[in-house]
Amino acid sequence: QLQLQESGPGLVKPSETLSLTCTVSGGSISSSSYYWGWIRQPPGKGLEWIGSIYYSGSTYYNPSLKSRVTISVDTSKNQFSLKLSSVTAADTAVYYCARLKQWLFSNAFDIWGQGTMVTVSS
Amino acid sequence: DIQMTQSPSSLSASVGDRVTITCRASQSISSYLNWYQQKPGKAPKLLIYAASSLQSGVPSRFSGSGSGTDFTLTISSLQPEDFATYYCQQSYSTPSITFGQGTRLEIK
Repeated sequence: QLQLQESGPGLVKPSETLSLTCTVSGGSISSSSYYWGWIRQPPGKGLEWIGSIYYSGSTYYNPSLKSRVTISVDTSKNQFSLKLSSVTAADTAVYYCARLKQWLFSNAFDIWGQGTMVTVSS
Repeated sequence: DIQMTQSPSSLSASVGDRVTITCRASQSISSYLNWYQQKPGKAPKLLIYAASSLQSGVPSRFSGSGSGTDFTLTISSLQPEDFATYYCQQSYSTPSITFGQGTRLEIK
């Protein structure tokens, strides 16, 4: 059974870089049927897609965050990672990693990590 | 960018009620519409993909319909475990993805 687990610091200082890793277990990140994505949710608010990556390294970012986001993949470790630079308090959120499955008429996040809370504060 | 608007933002209902949540896209997205359920402190759970296909393991009281710009999620008979927040998500512009703002379903 495929599982995803986020890891990384729970507290980041303003202007610094937020770094998180998602470890995939129970399956390979190199499957051609899936993308892998990051989604965040500020406290009490809705879901925001941050970006996605294919095992080949192709990346796709939310235009509103594109200038600050880098997503990378390490197939040897079955992991993918998120870096968000120049963070502010507005970046405080629960960060989820998830698998994006491709069907004929849709692409949906069918498996999610449990999420990790990241607070931006000095 | 494709914008997704859900209505209502919140609603109150009773166990056994039939409930409908609506999602409207800012442009036609064919059937590229998914629905998620999120309970407090938990990750979202995929309920419906491709507008009307039930994800494996999801109870049949959940159903989705629509195409183009207007979509609905229906719960035929509310159960206590269904009180949660529901989100729609478009994947027409994949790899760019957008979610609706959410609909909070509360117990009356």
